[in-house]
Amino acid sequence: GENVEQHPSTLSVQEGDSAVIKCTYSDSASNYFPWYKQELGKRPQLIIDIRSNVGEKKDQRIAVTLNKTAKHFSLHITETQPEDSAVYFCAASTNSGYALNFGKGTSLLVTP
Amino acid sequence: KAGVTQTPRYLIKTRGQQVTLSCSPISGHRSVSWYQQTPGQGLQFLFEYFSETQRNKGNFPGRFSGRQFSNSRSEMNVSTLELGDSALYLCASSLLAGSTGELFFGEGSRLTVL
Repeated sequence: GENVEQHPSTLSVQEGDSAVIKCTYSDSASNYFPWYKQELGKRPQLIIDIRSNVGEKKDQRIAVTLNKTAKHFSLHITETQPEDSAVYFCAASTNSGYALNFGKGTSLLVTP
Repeated sequence: KAGVTQTPRYLIKTRGQQVTLSCSPISGHRSVSWYQQTPGQGLQFLFEYFSETQRNKGNFPGRFSGRQFSNSRSEMNVSTLELGDSALYLCASSLLAGSTGELFFGEGSRLTVL
C-alpha cells in the first residue's frame, strides 16, 4: 500500500515553545490530509485537515502546511501547553477514495 | 447524538480461536472503517465498508474479514488467532467515504491473544 512517513517519533518541548511534526506521502493521487490527536487512553480525534487545493490552514494555535510538489505536509503548534501532550497522527487519502493511510505517530510531550 | 460504539471493549482469547468485534456508527453515517493499532505501528488500515460493500482492504491476511449490515453496523472477524493479533482494534464512522472527511473513532476493542 501507499506509505506515509512521519517524523519525529518523539518530541519534547517546553511550555510556550513551538512544535513541528512532518509527514511525507508517496501517492500522488492523495488529496486529503488530516491530523488526529490521541490522548493517553482516549480515541483519536481530528484536530485539523487540509485539502490539496490549499497550501496552508490555521486554527488558533494549530496550522498545517502542504507542499504537493514535494509530497510533504507539516503540523505546527505554537505556544504549546501541557494539554497538547498526546500522540499526533498524520494521514493521507488513498486513490480509491476510501481509507486513509496513517503515519506511525509522534508522541509530543510538553513540559511546564 | 451518540458516538461510535464498539463492543466488547476488552477480550482475551487463545491462539487458534476466532473473535468477532462489533461497531455501531453514528446515526446517519454510511461508512465504517476498521484500523489496527499497535505500539510503534500507528494505525493500520484493515478495511472500509460503505453501503454494505467493502470498498477497500488493507494489507492483512484473509483471516481478517468484515461485513456491514443494512443499518450500517459493522462487524469484523479474525479467525485462527495468532499472538501478533493482540492489538487495539478501532472502528471509525464517517458521513461519506473515509478518505473525504472526518473520521469519528470508537473507543476500541482491546484484544489480547495468549
